[in-house]
Amino acid sequence: EPEVTQTPSHQVTQMGQEVILRCVPISNHLYFYWYRQILGQKVEFLVSFYNNEISEKSEIFDDQFSVERPDGSNFTLKIRSTKLEDSAMYFCASRREGSYEQYFGPGTRLTVT
Amino acid sequence: AQSVAQPEDQVNVAEGNPLTVKCTYSVSGNPYLFWYVQYPNRGLQFLLKYITGDNLVKGSYGFEAEFNKSQTSFHLKKPSALVSDSALYFCAVDTGRRALTFGSGTRLQVQP
Repeated sequence: EPEVTQTPSHQVTQMGQEVILRCVPISNHLYFYWYRQILGQKVEFLVSFYNNEISEKSEIFDDQFSVERPDGSNFTLKIRSTKLEDSAMYFCASRREGSYEQYFGPGTRLTVT
Repeated sequence: AQSVAQPEDQVNVAEGNPLTVKCTYSVSGNPYLFWYVQYPNRGLQFLLKYITGDNLVKGSYGFEAEFNKSQTSFHLKKPSALVSDSALYFCAVDTGRRALTFGSGTRLQVQP
């Protein structure tokens, strides 16, 4: 069964550094999402992406964040200058046209030191 | 603003007994409701959804959920729990904007 994959599984970075989290959505899905979960807290929506543009973003998704679909398979989340409070598990999800459920990847644990 | 409440941090049940994991929601408009399960070191796995129609929806692994509009609830149920059902369960709502709002999660512990 097709799955959403994410790399790396764990990323450690220093405060102020840029990180890129990578996701490969399910191949026939057209809608893509990023969520994050700070340890012990709720899963929070960051951004949704369709047709090569952002369709919606939350207040968390400020100017330090960006998303891109650089080719036909990858979907990336870039954090330009990481802060300690960016430490979280980041989940990518995808959804196919005409369906309602999103399918999630295993997550990337980002640790900012 | 939409919100989801899962009032129990943890639910303990003996194997073979029925289980219920509670979820209530607050939205303006018609809700699309979902349950996801998370096993250790894994992503969120889709279990079931309510979009419209029959209030009782069936999903993966023998789980079902009942949509109750008057009580704004969407409780997850299973007639007979398995030890392998032990995991973290999340209720989520979407009002058609396709951005899911999640509850805080309920840890289900099934004892042998």
